[in-house]
Amino acid sequence: GAVVSQHPSWVICKSGTSVKIECRSLDFQATTMFWYRQFPKQSLMLMATSNEGSKATYEQGVEKDKFLINHASLTLSTLTVTSAHPEDSSFYICSVAAGTGGTPLHFGNGTRLTVT
Amino acid sequence: DQQVKQNSPSLSVQEGRISILNCDYTNSMFDYFLWYKKYPAEGPTFLISISSIKDKNEDGRFTVFLNKSAKHLSLHIVPSQPGDSAVYFCAASARFGADRGSTLGRLYFGRGTQLTVWP
Repeated sequence: GAVVSQHPSWVICKSGTSVKIECRSLDFQATTMFWYRQFPKQSLMLMATSNEGSKATYEQGVEKDKFLINHASLTLSTLTVTSAHPEDSSFYICSVAAGTGGTPLHFGNGTRLTVT
Repeated sequence: DQQVKQNSPSLSVQEGRISILNCDYTNSMFDYFLWYKKYPAEGPTFLISISSIKDKNEDGRFTVFLNKSAKHLSLHIVPSQPGDSAVYFCAASARFGADRGSTLGRLYFGRGTQLTVWP
C-alpha cells in the first residue's frame, strides 16, 4: 500500500492565487520530508527540506516567501505556492525520509499544477 | 550543474532481452546510489540501491553495478518485460561523506531514461 499520500493529484488555478499541496506519511512518523519539482523532460529538483517543528531548509534559487512549507506534525507537510504564476506550472512531488537523515525512499504520487 | 547524468534519454528493447541503463556522476563524495522507476503522473518508485562499498547488488531481475573509479553505474534488467516500460531515474546521495550538501538525505537525480520494452 501507499506509504506517502499527496493531495491533490492535479490542480488548475488562476494567476495570482495560492495553492496548497499536502503530503502525508501514512506508515511512519517522518521528521523530514522533501519537496521536489519536475519540469517536462527534466530531472527532479529538490526545492526544500521540510523539518518537523522547525523552519524548512530551502535550496539555492528557491524563494521561501513564494513556496511556503509547513511541517506541523510528524505525518503532514504542506507546500503552498503563493501568488502563482504560469511559470510555476510544474509537477510537484513530496518524499519521506526513512528515519532521521535517511535517504528518501518513498515518494507521493505528485501534484500537477497548472497556472492559467 | 548536473552532478548525476543519464546521457541516454530513451532506450528501446525487445521483450526477453536485457535492458542496460547507464548513469554517470561527478561528485566523488557520493556514497549511495539509487534507481527509481516512474510512470506518467505518478511519483517515483524505489527500485534498487547500492552502497559505495559494493560493486554489485542484485534483486530478482534487477542488478545494479557500480564502478567507482569510472564514476559510473548501470542498471540491468533481465529479462525485460513490457511492464518495465517507464522512465528510470538514477539518483545519488552523500550520506556519510564530509560533504553532504545542504541537506541530509538529499538526493541528486539524473534526467531519466525512458525505457520501452516491446513484445
